[in-house]
Amino acid sequence: EVQLVQSGVEVKEPGESLKISCKGSGYSFASYWIGWVRQMPGKGLEWMGVIFPADSDTRYNPSFQGLVTISVDKSISTAYLQWSSLKASDSAMYYCVRPRAAAVDYFDYWGQGTLVTVSS
Amino acid sequence: DIQMTQSPSSLSASIGDGVTIKCRASQSIGNSLNWYQQRPGKAPNLLIYGGSSLRGGVPSRFSGSGSGTDFTLTISSLQPEDLATYYCQQSYTSPLTFGGGTKVEIK
Repeated sequence: EVQLVQSGVEVKEPGESLKISCKGSGYSFASYWIGWVRQMPGKGLEWMGVIFPADSDTRYNPSFQGLVTISVDKSISTAYLQWSSLKASDSAMYYCVRPRAAAVDYFDYWGQGTLVTVSS
Repeated sequence: DIQMTQSPSSLSASIGDGVTIKCRASQSIGNSLNWYQQRPGKAPNLLIYGGSSLRGGVPSRFSGSGSGTDFTLTISSLQPEDLATYYCQQSYTSPLTFGGGTKVEIK
């Protein structure tokens, strides 16, 4: 059974750094793209970007380029989403997603979500 | 970016009713249109991909149609567990984009 299990709730202050994780299991982790989707409170879904674990090829939504870093450690089947300096506007639910086959594809598996709250 | 516009933004229907949700793309996307269901407090879940292909395990009361710029998600007979927000998503080109969502409520 394919599973994407994300790290837990985070409460941070503005300016702090953060790295959240997503561990894949039940499939060949290195062979599938894995990515992130943001959902701000009460709002819709926004695709942030994806990474291919086998070679770390990374594609970003231009709206998020330079604001976050997507990385992966294929040795432990885990993808990461990282901020160097959080803002209040980064408060959102972040979902880990697995595209079906290509970087540009539908998402057949979703993680349970990681809630990030940034507040002073 | 390709803009995806859903209508209506919300609807209320009775159990057993047929429900139709529309999604329009700002340019032609072929059949690269997917539908997701997000129940309250849960992660989204894929329902339909490629415009009309039902994901395995999804009830047959859900169906998708359309191509080019206009697409439709139909629930043939609304059930209590269909209370959710439904999103369309284009997978034609990067950046991937979603519609704004349609919230389905039960009367």
